Amino acid sequence: SAVISQKPSRDICQRGTSLTIQCQVDSQVTMMFWYRQQPGQSLTLIATANQGSEATYESGFVIDKFPISRPNLTFSTLTVSNMSPEDSSIYLCSVEGGGTGGGEQYFGPGTRLTVT
Amino acid sequence: QKEVEQNSGPLSVPEGAIASLNCTYSDRGSQSFFWYRQYSGKSPELIMFIYSNGDKEDGRFTAQLNKASQYVSLLIRDSQPSDSATYLCATNGGADGLTFGKGTHLIIQP
Repeated sequence: SAVISQKPSRDICQRGTSLTIQCQVDSQVTMMFWYRQQPGQSLTLIATANQGSEATYESGFVIDKFPISRPNLTFSTLTVSNMSPEDSSIYLCSVEGGGTGGGEQYFGPGTRLTVT
Repeated sequence: QKEVEQNSGPLSVPEGAIASLNCTYSDRGSQSFFWYRQYSGKSPELIMFIYSNGDKEDGRFTAQLNKASQYVSLLIRDSQPSDSATYLCATNGGADGLTFGKGTHLIIQP
Protein backbone atom coordinates (compact mmCIF):
# COMPACT_ATOMS: atom_id res chain seq x y z
CA SER A 1 0.00 0.00 0.00
CA ALA A 2 1.01 3.62 -0.51
CA VAL A 3 2.93 5.53 2.14
CA ILE A 4 1.05 8.67 3.10
CA SER A 5 2.34 11.58 5.14
CA GLN A 6 0.54 14.62 6.48
CA LYS A 7 1.74 17.97 7.72
CA PRO A 8 1.33 19.29 10.32
CA SER A 9 0.71 16.35 12.64
CA ARG A 10 -1.03 18.65 15.07
CA ASP A 11 -1.69 22.33 15.60
CA ILE A 12 -3.44 24.69 17.98
CA CYS A 13 -5.04 27.63 16.23
CA GLN A 14 -7.04 30.67 17.21
CA ARG A 15 -10.60 31.09 16.04
CA GLY A 16 -10.99 33.09 12.86
CA THR A 17 -7.70 31.93 11.39
CA SER A 18 -7.07 29.33 8.67
CA LEU A 19 -4.88 26.24 8.54
CA THR A 20 -3.68 24.38 5.47
CA ILE A 21 -3.03 20.66 5.83
CA GLN A 22 -0.78 18.90 3.37
CA CYS A 23 -1.04 15.29 2.23
CA GLN A 24 1.82 13.63 0.33
CA VAL A 25 1.73 10.14 -1.21
CA ASP A 26 4.77 8.17 -2.34
CA SER A 27 3.10 7.00 -5.55
CA GLN A 28 0.73 8.46 -8.11
CA VAL A 29 -2.94 8.03 -7.26
CA THR A 30 -6.04 9.12 -9.10
CA MET A 31 -8.33 9.83 -6.19
CA MET A 32 -7.56 11.31 -2.81
CA PHE A 33 -10.07 11.78 -0.05
CA TRP A 34 -10.33 14.04 2.98
CA TYR A 35 -12.14 12.96 6.13
CA ARG A 36 -12.86 14.52 9.48
CA GLN A 37 -13.02 12.66 12.78
CA GLN A 38 -14.52 14.72 15.55
CA PRO A 39 -13.71 13.79 19.16
CA GLY A 40 -15.18 10.41 20.03
CA GLN A 41 -16.81 10.09 16.64
CA SER A 42 -16.27 8.11 13.49
CA LEU A 43 -14.94 9.35 10.17
CA THR A 44 -16.99 11.63 7.94
CA LEU A 45 -16.04 12.23 4.32
CA ILE A 46 -15.45 15.90 3.55
CA ALA A 47 -14.59 15.71 -0.14
CA THR A 48 -13.04 13.72 -2.94
CA ALA A 49 -10.12 15.32 -4.78
CA ASN A 50 -9.21 14.28 -8.30
CA GLN A 51 -6.22 15.77 -10.07
CA GLY A 52 -7.21 18.30 -12.70
CA SER A 53 -10.77 18.81 -11.56
CA GLU A 54 -12.69 20.54 -8.81
CA ALA A 55 -13.10 18.63 -5.58
CA THR A 56 -16.47 17.02 -4.92
CA TYR A 57 -17.89 17.95 -1.53
CA GLU A 58 -20.24 15.94 0.63
CA SER A 59 -23.44 17.34 2.03
CA GLY A 60 -22.69 19.75 4.85
CA PHE A 61 -19.24 20.72 3.57
CA VAL A 62 -18.62 23.70 1.30
CA ILE A 63 -15.67 24.89 -0.72
CA ASP A 64 -15.51 28.28 0.98
CA LYS A 65 -14.95 26.60 4.34
CA PHE A 66 -12.77 23.69 3.16
CA PRO A 67 -10.97 24.65 -0.04
CA ILE A 68 -8.97 21.78 -1.52
CA SER A 69 -6.13 21.77 -4.01
CA ARG A 70 -4.88 18.81 -6.03
CA PRO A 71 -1.99 20.09 -8.15
CA ASN A 72 -0.61 16.65 -9.10
CA LEU A 73 -1.08 12.93 -8.60
CA THR A 74 0.90 12.72 -5.35
CA PHE A 75 -0.16 15.79 -3.39
CA SER A 76 -3.24 17.53 -2.02
CA THR A 77 -4.03 20.23 0.51
CA LEU A 78 -7.09 20.91 2.63
CA THR A 79 -7.59 24.34 4.17
CA VAL A 80 -9.84 24.84 7.15
CA SER A 81 -10.94 28.45 6.88
CA ASN A 82 -12.23 30.93 9.45
CA MET A 83 -11.93 28.33 12.16
CA SER A 84 -14.19 27.97 15.16
CA PRO A 85 -13.89 25.58 18.14
CA GLU A 86 -16.35 23.25 16.34
CA ASP A 87 -13.62 22.61 13.76
CA SER A 88 -11.48 20.91 16.39
CA SER A 89 -11.04 17.45 14.90
CA ILE A 90 -8.61 15.04 13.38
CA TYR A 91 -8.33 15.55 9.64
CA LEU A 92 -7.27 12.55 7.59
CA CYS A 93 -6.40 12.10 3.97
CA SER A 94 -6.68 8.76 2.25
CA VAL A 95 -6.04 7.14 -1.08
CA GLU A 96 -7.37 4.11 -2.85
CA GLY A 97 -4.79 1.42 -3.24
CA GLY A 98 -3.89 -2.23 -3.29
CA GLY A 99 -4.63 -2.74 -6.96
CA THR A 100 -7.50 -5.10 -6.18
CA GLY A 101 -10.26 -2.89 -7.54
CA GLY A 102 -12.12 -3.37 -4.29
CA GLY A 103 -12.01 0.31 -3.40
CA GLU A 104 -10.04 -0.13 -0.20
CA GLN A 105 -8.54 3.06 1.19
CA TYR A 106 -5.40 3.69 3.17
CA PHE A 107 -5.12 6.58 5.57
CA GLY A 108 -2.46 9.04 6.45
CA PRO A 109 -1.49 9.58 10.08
CA GLY A 110 -3.89 12.49 10.49
CA THR A 111 -3.67 16.10 11.60
CA ARG A 112 -5.02 16.85 15.05
CA LEU A 113 -6.44 20.37 15.07
CA THR A 114 -7.47 22.24 18.19
CA VAL A 115 -9.18 25.61 17.80
CA THR A 116 -9.23 27.90 20.82
CA GLN B 1 -28.91 8.52 3.06
CA LYS B 2 -26.27 5.88 3.46
CA GLU B 3 -25.97 4.59 7.01
CA VAL B 4 -23.73 2.06 8.68
CA GLU B 5 -24.71 0.87 12.13
CA GLN B 6 -22.49 -0.71 14.77
CA ASN B 7 -22.90 -1.42 18.44
CA SER B 8 -20.57 1.04 20.15
CA GLY B 9 -19.72 -1.38 22.97
CA PRO B 10 -17.53 -1.77 24.81
CA LEU B 11 -17.39 -5.43 23.89
CA SER B 12 -15.34 -7.34 26.42
CA VAL B 13 -13.87 -10.71 25.40
CA PRO B 14 -11.49 -12.97 27.33
CA GLU B 15 -8.06 -13.54 25.86
CA GLY B 16 -8.03 -16.56 23.56
CA ALA B 17 -11.75 -16.41 22.83
CA ILE B 18 -13.49 -15.40 19.59
CA ALA B 19 -14.51 -11.77 19.26
CA SER B 20 -17.54 -11.17 17.04
CA LEU B 21 -18.16 -7.69 15.66
CA ASN B 22 -21.29 -6.86 13.71
CA CYS B 23 -22.37 -4.19 11.26
CA THR B 24 -25.50 -3.43 9.24
CA TYR B 25 -25.81 -1.05 6.33
CA SER B 26 -28.71 0.70 4.65
CA ASP B 27 -27.54 1.21 1.07
CA ARG B 28 -28.29 -1.85 -1.06
CA GLY B 29 -26.03 -0.36 -3.72
CA SER B 30 -22.99 -0.84 -1.48
CA GLN B 31 -20.46 -2.96 -3.30
CA SER B 32 -17.52 -3.43 -0.96
CA PHE B 33 -17.25 -3.66 2.79
CA PHE B 34 -14.28 -2.86 4.95
CA TRP B 35 -13.10 -3.42 8.49
CA TYR B 36 -10.62 -0.98 9.97
CA ARG B 37 -8.89 -1.12 13.32
CA GLN B 38 -8.15 2.14 15.09
CA TYR B 39 -5.99 2.40 18.16
CA SER B 40 -6.46 5.45 20.36
CA GLY B 41 -4.68 8.44 18.86
CA LYS B 42 -3.89 6.64 15.62
CA SER B 43 -5.40 6.62 12.16
CA PRO B 44 -7.54 3.71 10.90
CA GLU B 45 -5.71 0.65 9.64
CA LEU B 46 -7.33 -1.63 7.07
CA ILE B 47 -7.78 -5.18 8.33
CA MET B 48 -9.95 -6.78 5.68
CA PHE B 49 -12.38 -6.10 2.92
CA ILE B 50 -15.04 -8.28 1.33
CA TYR B 51 -17.37 -7.87 -1.62
CA SER B 52 -18.83 -11.33 -2.19
CA ASN B 53 -21.40 -13.09 -0.07
CA GLY B 54 -19.90 -15.61 2.29
CA ASP B 55 -16.74 -15.78 4.33
CA LYS B 56 -13.26 -14.45 3.74
CA GLU B 57 -10.44 -15.53 6.00
CA ASP B 58 -7.08 -13.90 6.63
CA GLY B 59 -5.08 -15.33 9.49
CA ARG B 60 -7.03 -14.90 12.72
CA PHE B 61 -9.60 -12.69 11.02
CA THR B 62 -12.73 -13.77 9.15
CA ALA B 63 -15.08 -11.35 7.45
CA GLN B 64 -18.62 -12.47 6.70
CA LEU B 65 -21.01 -10.81 4.29
CA ASN B 66 -24.73 -11.36 3.79
CA LYS B 67 -26.05 -8.90 1.23
CA ALA B 68 -29.64 -10.14 1.51
CA SER B 69 -29.64 -9.23 5.20
CA GLN B 70 -27.35 -6.19 4.66
CA TYR B 71 -25.09 -7.54 7.35
CA VAL B 72 -21.32 -7.70 7.71
CA SER B 73 -19.35 -9.22 10.55
CA LEU B 74 -15.76 -9.66 11.63
CA LEU B 75 -14.59 -12.59 13.71
CA ILE B 76 -11.28 -12.47 15.53
CA ARG B 77 -10.06 -15.87 16.67
CA ASP B 78 -7.64 -16.42 19.53
CA SER B 79 -8.12 -12.83 20.69
CA GLN B 80 -5.03 -11.10 22.03
CA PRO B 81 -4.75 -8.02 24.28
CA SER B 82 -3.18 -6.25 21.29
CA ASP B 83 -6.53 -6.63 19.49
CA SER B 84 -8.06 -4.15 21.94
CA ALA B 85 -9.06 -1.21 19.76
CA THR B 86 -12.03 0.40 18.05
CA TYR B 87 -13.18 -1.49 14.97
CA LEU B 88 -14.77 0.54 12.22
CA CYS B 89 -17.05 -0.93 9.57
CA ALA B 90 -17.26 0.94 6.26
CA THR B 91 -18.98 0.57 2.92
CA ASN B 92 -18.25 1.80 -0.59
CA GLY B 93 -21.22 2.34 -2.88
CA GLY B 94 -19.25 3.39 -5.94
CA ALA B 95 -16.94 6.23 -6.84
CA ASP B 96 -17.56 8.07 -3.61
CA GLY B 97 -15.49 7.76 -0.48
CA LEU B 98 -16.31 5.40 2.32
CA THR B 99 -19.24 5.60 4.72
CA PHE B 100 -18.18 4.60 8.22
CA GLY B 101 -20.05 3.30 11.21
CA LYS B 102 -19.33 4.77 14.61
CA GLY B 103 -17.18 1.83 15.57
CA THR B 104 -17.18 -0.88 18.24
CA HIS B 105 -14.79 -0.57 21.13
CA LEU B 106 -13.30 -4.01 21.75
CA ILE B 107 -11.53 -4.91 24.99
CA ILE B 108 -9.60 -8.17 25.28
CA GLN B 109 -9.25 -9.14 28.89
CA PRO B 110 -5.99 -10.93 29.79
